[in-house]
Amino acid sequence: EIVLTQSPGTLSLSPGERATLSCRASQSVSSRYLAWYQQQPGQAPRLLIYGASSRATGIPDRFSGSGSGTDFTLTISRLEPEDFVVYFCQQYDSSLFTFGQGTKLEMK
Amino acid sequence: QVQLQESGPGLVKPSETLSLTCTVSGGSVSSGSYYWNWIRQSPGKGLEWIGYIYYSGSTNYNPSLKSRITISIDTSKNQFSLKLSSVTAADTAVYYCARGFMTRKVRDAFDIWGQGTMVTVSS
Repeated sequence: EIVLTQSPGTLSLSPGERATLSCRASQSVSSRYLAWYQQQPGQAPRLLIYGASSRATGIPDRFSGSGSGTDFTLTISRLEPEDFVVYFCQQYDSSLFTFGQGTKLEMK
Repeated sequence: QVQLQESGPGLVKPSETLSLTCTVSGGSVSSGSYYWNWIRQSPGKGLEWIGYIYYSGSTNYNPSLKSRITISIDTSKNQFSLKLSSVTAADTAVYYCARGFMTRKVRDAFDIWGQGTMVTVSS
């Protein structure tokens, strides 16, 4: 099983700042098979990034993804108030899909 | 636009079978461009992928749940379903269905999710 570890667990920033969220895999993941999701309270996750760096339909360009191998990053360039929620990474490289435990973005 | 909607009992007794259905509207489960997933989320364990099914009926399950899971698809009703047997309190969670898309005939991420349904296992 590929374990995804997200850091930090909670990130405290202010609107307008830049956020950098990390997802580290226990073994190498093809960048083609790494996704990021955003989850608003009480809602289902929403796909932000797939293939490590491709934005999903309708996702603002302030969201970007990068990385390869075991280290992947989600960057939010200028935080908007609605961005202060929870983010998950997911790998679908192996036959057992796994998610990270999540990073909560909180407003400072 | 495509929407997914989970349905099923919100309360299941221990040792019984949890049964959920995901109804797809605005699209077809028979499309070869997608595959159909179940995921659950509990406060203690985060997001856990349960398994997926293709329109052909081919499945792939999480090994940790494999002995208790059956995922099936009904193309005539445009639905797919989850059965999880011998449930315990540890199976209490919000259950989501989600569509996975294919890119160049290879599985890609989950682009559309249902709203989720809370299932509690309790006597």
